[in-house]
Amino acid sequence: GQQLNQSPQSMFIQEGEDVSMNCTSSSIFNTWLWYKQDPGEGPVLLIALYKAGELTSNGRLTAQFGITRKDSFLNISASIPSDVGIYFCASPMDSNYQLIWGAGTKLIIKP
Amino acid sequence: GAVVSQHPSWVICKSGTSVKIECRSLDFQATTMFWYRQFPKQSLMLMATSNEGSKATYEQGVEKDKFLINHASLTLSTLTVTSAHPEDSSFYICSAWGPQGTDTQYFGPGTRLTVL
Repeated sequence: GQQLNQSPQSMFIQEGEDVSMNCTSSSIFNTWLWYKQDPGEGPVLLIALYKAGELTSNGRLTAQFGITRKDSFLNISASIPSDVGIYFCASPMDSNYQLIWGAGTKLIIKP
Repeated sequence: GAVVSQHPSWVICKSGTSVKIECRSLDFQATTMFWYRQFPKQSLMLMATSNEGSKATYEQGVEKDKFLINHASLTLSTLTVTSAHPEDSSFYICSAWGPQGTDTQYFGPGTRLTVL
């Protein structure tokens, strides 16, 4: 089915580094959601974006809703070990409110 | 934020038995819930949309007689895996749209099913 294009697929970084990941689509969306999933857990909502151009922060996390409404990025500043996990972007389809998903970005922090 | 719970968090069963998984919205009403399946290292795959008081809508390729969904109240949806087989072993996650006006989807913690 339809999927958002999320990159990178994985990231190996040092603790303290900043992280950036993004999602793009050929379609316009009215909402962008960013989730984090830890192993054996359900996704947890990090940031929700509802307006083109919107820039929202949640602690060390910052996400932006692209002006074209076809993309979004998520930044994590000064990464810490507990940031390890898989990050997903998602957006609801207006027709039936189902979410479509990015493939995920796996974040690994090198000791 | 809104809370969605699932029970059990993990279950091991013998092949041929049926397993019921519950999904509850704890502090809000959810007329629509979603059931996902997730294989290792993959994204979530939508199985079905559960509608309170009506039949669930299944995604293409998902057997409705195999995965029975009942959404009997505004806070509870159940997924029953009937006559489970080892290939049904997976991580099952439910979700619900948050309270009216929030326009975000909240997920349960997931249920790990292992069929022997």
